[in-house]
Amino acid sequence: DTGVSQDPRHKITKRGQNVTFRCDPISEHNRLYWYRQTLGQGPEFLTYFQNEAQLEKSRLLSDRFSAERPKGSFSTLEIQRTEQGDSAMYLCASSLTDRDTNYGYTFGSGTRLTVV
Amino acid sequence: GQNIDQPTEMTATEGAIVQINCTYQTSGFNGLFWYQQHAGEAPTFLSYNVLDGLEEKGRFSSFLSRSKGYSYLLLKELQMKDSASYLCALDNTDKLIFGTGTRLQVFP
Repeated sequence: DTGVSQDPRHKITKRGQNVTFRCDPISEHNRLYWYRQTLGQGPEFLTYFQNEAQLEKSRLLSDRFSAERPKGSFSTLEIQRTEQGDSAMYLCASSLTDRDTNYGYTFGSGTRLTVV
Repeated sequence: GQNIDQPTEMTATEGAIVQINCTYQTSGFNGLFWYQQHAGEAPTFLSYNVLDGLEEKGRFSSFLSRSKGYSYLLLKELQMKDSASYLCALDNTDKLIFGTGTRLQVFP
């Protein structure tokens, strides 16, 4: 297993366009998380899945954002009608969680989005 | 919210010791993580504290005091490659809540 993979690494798009990012977690991990990180700040939680179920969404996830994990494996994050304020690093992480025990998070290298 | 605070930037000299503090305002969490993040890269795991006290791991140590709402990361024998951002994060099982991060610059 090569860890958590994210694609693409970089994306430049024009304002108003739609973009989609992909995350492939560690195969044994049942949870998958999306975070957004702007320059000089810590990552901010967006949403997470347990298997294919989306269990929590942050208020930061406006209706222009949608995330899916259809088969409980890879996930996609789509941003519709992008705005300049969406420019950020989008990080994916996965973990193995059993009831109340989380065995640690592994992060991907992120997708850097620039909206021009 | 958890209001997790860290100094924005710190500088130190190669070979020195530096302490990066993290304060928070919540009691409901499982443990506290410290991550290192080089520019443009993924955060990588450094330490995890569940109980109060000091956890030592090579050049890096992390301390937690739940009663004081306080943690720190101690880096000894600093090397140039330690120049990075250091993130503290609270683990509430469902997700990690990160602090603002501290950017550390190590000078020769």
